[in-house]
Amino acid sequence: AQTVTQSQPEMSVQEAETVTLSCTYDTSENNYYLFWYKQPPSRQMILVIRQEAYKQQNATENRFSVNFQKAAKSFSLKISDSQLGDTAMYFCAFMKHAANFGNEKLTFGTGTRLTIIP
Amino acid sequence: EAEVAQSPRYKITEKSQAVAFWCDPISGHATLYWYRQILGQGPELLVQFQDESVVDDSQLPKDRFSAERLKGVDSTLKIQPAELGDSAMYLCASSLVSGFGNEQFFGPGTRLTVL
Repeated sequence: AQTVTQSQPEMSVQEAETVTLSCTYDTSENNYYLFWYKQPPSRQMILVIRQEAYKQQNATENRFSVNFQKAAKSFSLKISDSQLGDTAMYFCAFMKHAANFGNEKLTFGTGTRLTIIP
Repeated sequence: EAEVAQSPRYKITEKSQAVAFWCDPISGHATLYWYRQILGQGPELLVQFQDESVVDDSQLPKDRFSAERLKGVDSTLKIQPAELGDSAMYLCASSLVSGFGNEQFFGPGTRLTVL
């Protein structure tokens, strides 16, 4: 079974600064996907960024980038030029590669509550 | 922009009562998921549908929980009887296809409080 660990329950940072959220995972799989999801207060969870394990290049989406270290089973999220709208709960999640139906469930960490301070 | 719809948004019930939650996925999405998110934790999968078929219900407490997606479109999750430990956020998600790390789109959730 896979496990995902987020060791920072809460973080806060000044607006416009850079913040890094940590995530480690444990799996015996070789092919898998990693995600960061954002859950703003009272709003639905949305995908921030996605990484395929077979790709060595780190994924980037505008101000969001990841540092994927496959050997260390580490997957951190960096938010640059943080904005007030980045305030949310952030979940790291793991998904096995599955060519057949089933086994596409997301395994989530416990989340990091990020607050951007004006 | 298409979204996953869920109702009700909030539900308060007494233990031993029956409750039901409804989810309407994004049009055309064949795969539908129900997750449970206990306060302070990440979501955990309860059941996954591919069209109208259940493909994973290994974590669904089948003695009290049931789920259906009769026409392969919208879905209902039922709890009977509800217990205090069922208090949680119930999230529905959908994806266009399953596998290959496809994005799951989440609804706003139903927050259940069992008294």
